[in-house]
Amino acid sequence: NAGVTQTPKFQVLKTGQSMTLQCAQDMNHEYMSWYRQDPGMGLRLIHYSVGAGITDQGEVPNGYNVSRSTTEDFPLRLLSAAPSQTSVYFCASRRALALSGELFFGEGSRLTVL
Amino acid sequence: GQQLNQSPQSMFIQEGEDVSMNCTSSSIFNTWLWYKQDPGEGPVLLIALYKAGELTSNGRLTAQFGITRKDSFLNISASIPSDVGIYFCAGQPPSNNNAGNMLTFGGGTRLMVKP
Repeated sequence: NAGVTQTPKFQVLKTGQSMTLQCAQDMNHEYMSWYRQDPGMGLRLIHYSVGAGITDQGEVPNGYNVSRSTTEDFPLRLLSAAPSQTSVYFCASRRALALSGELFFGEGSRLTVL
Repeated sequence: GQQLNQSPQSMFIQEGEDVSMNCTSSSIFNTWLWYKQDPGEGPVLLIALYKAGELTSNGRLTAQFGITRKDSFLNISASIPSDVGIYFCAGQPPSNNNAGNMLTFGGGTRLMVKP
């Protein structure tokens, strides 16, 4: 199994550009989520989904959109990138019945906005 | 949102030393978790704690869920070079509107090897 796969691993954008970070999991997990990691601030939840067709906001949702049309995929869209969105982004998934912390993380996508 | 204070922020270890780190919060949590992140990788779950007072081991790692439900610690005994990385605590608050079982993460403890 590939687990949680994120693409791209690295991306540089100019302010105002848009892009989509892709996330796919092949474990048939119901829950998927996006976090951003900034130095000294741990991981902060951006958006999450408890199943196909259902999404909800996390702690820091502004500037990001998500959709969940299939169980496998959970793309994160930046509509108009800003330098404050420079970060490392992690996608994570788990089974619905899994105890809350048993998240499986992707390898991360490092985004730089100039 | 809720805050988890993790300390220390960084520490140097010498092979063979024991290592201790902790997380504290002003609010209670139902679950405490400890993750490790290696460079260029995503975090990986090390230990999960589900009950106040619980003490759980995973090899050389031992973690405890504080009796007040507001803190947790992680100990690493007899450290080895591959222990270097970033360790995160995470907590799940009591669920009111928590369909996603959202976790709050601490800021991380970076473990490095003494030169």
